[in-house]
Amino acid sequence: GAVVSQHPSWVICKSGTSVKIECRSLDFQATTMFWYRQFPKQSLMLMATSNEGSKATYEQGVEKDKFLINHASLTLSTLTVTSAHPEDSSFYICSARRLAGAQDTQYFGPGTRLTVL
Amino acid sequence: GENVEQHPSTLSVQEGDSAVIKCTYSDSASNYFPWYKQELGKGPQLIIDIRSNVGEKKDQRIAVTLNKTAKHFSLHITETQPEDSAVYFCAARGSTLGRLYFGRGTQLTVWP
Repeated sequence: GAVVSQHPSWVICKSGTSVKIECRSLDFQATTMFWYRQFPKQSLMLMATSNEGSKATYEQGVEKDKFLINHASLTLSTLTVTSAHPEDSSFYICSARRLAGAQDTQYFGPGTRLTVL
Repeated sequence: GENVEQHPSTLSVQEGDSAVIKCTYSDSASNYFPWYKQELGKGPQLIIDIRSNVGEKKDQRIAVTLNKTAKHFSLHITETQPEDSAVYFCAARGSTLGRLYFGRGTQLTVWP
C-alpha cells in the first residue's frame, strides 16, 4: 500500500505554545489530505479537509484560527495547533487521498501524540 | 450527512475461529466502503475495501460483503490469529470531497 508519514510521532509542549505537525505522502501525490483527532477508545473525528493550493475546509465546531492547516504541495500538509492548552492533548492523525485511475483510496499516517502540560 | 453504525463494539474469539463485524450506512449514494485495522498507538491501516459495483471481495483470510439494497456491509476474518487483535473501523464514502464516515470501531480480541 501507499505510505504516509507524520512528524513528529509524539510531542510534549507547554501550555500557550504552538506545535506544528507534518503529514507527507511518500510515494504518491495527494491533492487532498484529511486531519483527524482521536480520543482514547473512540473513533476518528474529522477536523478538516486540506486541499493543495486552497484553503482548508473545517468541520463544524473546529476552530480554524486554532488549528491552522497548510497544504503547500502535493505531498505535504501541516497542522499547527496554536496556543495549545491541556484540552488539546490528543492523538492527531492525517490521511492522504490517492487517486490512481478509477481507484480512490485513503491512507493514514502513523499519528502524532500531543501532550500539553 | 452519512451515518455509519458498527456492531459489535467488542468481540472476543478463540484462535482459529471466525470473526464477523457488521456495519450499516444511511446514504444510498455512498459507493466506497473501506475497512481499517488500528493497533494501539498507531494509525489505521487499510486492510480491504469494496466498491459499490461489487458484492464480495476476498483477500486471503479477510473478506468483505456488501448489500446495497439493505445498505449494510460486513468484514469476515477466518482462521483468526492473536495478531488479528486490534480495533477495526468500517467506513463509507459519499460524494462530498471524498471524506470518509467512520463507524465507532470494534475491539477484536483473539485468545490463543
